[in-house]
Amino acid sequence: EPEVTQTPSHQVTQMGQEVILRCVPISNHLYFYWYRQILGQKVEFLVSFYNNEISEKSEIFDDQFSVERPDGSNFTLKIRSTKLEDSAMYFCASSEGANSPLHFGNGTRLTVT
Amino acid sequence: KQEVTQIPAALSVPEGENLVLNCSFTDSAIYNLQWFRQDPGKGLTSLLLIQSSQREQTSGRLNASLDKSSGRSTLYIAASQPGDSATYLCAVIGGNKLTFGGGTRVLVKP
Repeated sequence: EPEVTQTPSHQVTQMGQEVILRCVPISNHLYFYWYRQILGQKVEFLVSFYNNEISEKSEIFDDQFSVERPDGSNFTLKIRSTKLEDSAMYFCASSEGANSPLHFGNGTRLTVT
Repeated sequence: KQEVTQIPAALSVPEGENLVLNCSFTDSAIYNLQWFRQDPGKGLTSLLLIQSSQREQTSGRLNASLDKSSGRSTLYIAASQPGDSATYLCAVIGGNKLTFGGGTRVLVKP
């Protein structure tokens, strides 16, 4: 069964550094998403992406964050200058269409020290 | 703004008992509702998807019901096993995104 893959599984970075989290969505899916889960808290929506542009973003997704689909397969989340509070599990997801079921990757655990 | 609540936050049962997990949502204009399982420090495994036109969905020992008008869904797990210990998350799809509840942490004691 096709799946969403995320790399790396764990990333440790120093405060102020830039990080790029990578995702390969399911190949025939058209909608892509990033969610995050701070330890012990709810899974929160960050951003959705369709047709090479952001379709919706949450208030969490400020100017420090950006997303890109640099080629036909990858979908990336960049955090420009990481803060301690960015430490979380970041999940990528994709879906066939708007409001279709989402398929999630296994997540990237980001630790900012 | 959609709000999803799961009660109880934690549940402990002896092996063999049936589990009943509750989810409520504030905006009934949803397309689908998904139940997920999450093991500690791990990703999200989709268990069941109920479309807004459906009343329930079954997969093995799992059964999920949906009452859109009252904004509720219930996940039933029959004859619980220690391997069912995990956090169960409810999420509603609407407005082109998924909104999650806080989860119910389940412990099944052998």
